[in-house]
Amino acid sequence: GIQVEQSPPDLILQEGANSTLRCNFSDSVNNLQWFHQNPWGQLINLFYIPSGTKQNGRLSATTVATERYSLLYISSSQTTDSGVYFCAVPPQGNTPLVFGKGTRLSVIA
Amino acid sequence: DTEVTQTPKHLVMGMTTKKSLKCEQHMGHRAMYWYKQKAKKPPELMFVYSYEKLSINESVPSRFSPECPNSSLLNLHLHALQPEDSALYLCASSQDLSGKQFFGPGTRLTVL
Repeated sequence: GIQVEQSPPDLILQEGANSTLRCNFSDSVNNLQWFHQNPWGQLINLFYIPSGTKQNGRLSATTVATERYSLLYISSSQTTDSGVYFCAVPPQGNTPLVFGKGTRLSVIA
Repeated sequence: DTEVTQTPKHLVMGMTTKKSLKCEQHMGHRAMYWYKQKAKKPPELMFVYSYEKLSINESVPSRFSPECPNSSLLNLHLHALQPEDSALYLCASSQDLSGKQFFGPGTRLTVL
């Protein structure tokens, strides 16, 4: 089945710093989703991004489908950005998502 | 309304009791999901309903029994659970199987 690898597994940032999270996937996909899970367990969908670049405030994401990777950029990080960031892709067309293992981010004031 | 709600938020149950988890969405989504998540792990898919029909069961033990009474509601009936079933249970929905998924806040289940 499809493999989804995220890096780095853990990241500690000083408040105000920028970071880039990476998601590699082993097969062609028709969509990719980024999620943030806060320390209380709530999963928020950040981006639905099959290709190209999208921005939402301090966050942006780029997916290069032909090279099978996606990047999530966090600028001017805040303590509320702490949590786990997951990327997820469907193995084939209309099938449920397969999640990567996540990147655990801690932003320190 | 872009919200998925789940009740209860927390549940403690014994191995012989029966309980149910509930999930509701009013976004008109036709796909609904149950996930199980253990600490420091990604969500693990359990069941998928598409147009109110069970379309995927990821080899989940029969002590977990899903039900989709209508297009807005999803239940997960629990019976004879084991302590290792303690986890965060997440419900999600999407327009269709390839759509953007929205998650509820989850139910933290402890089996004694």
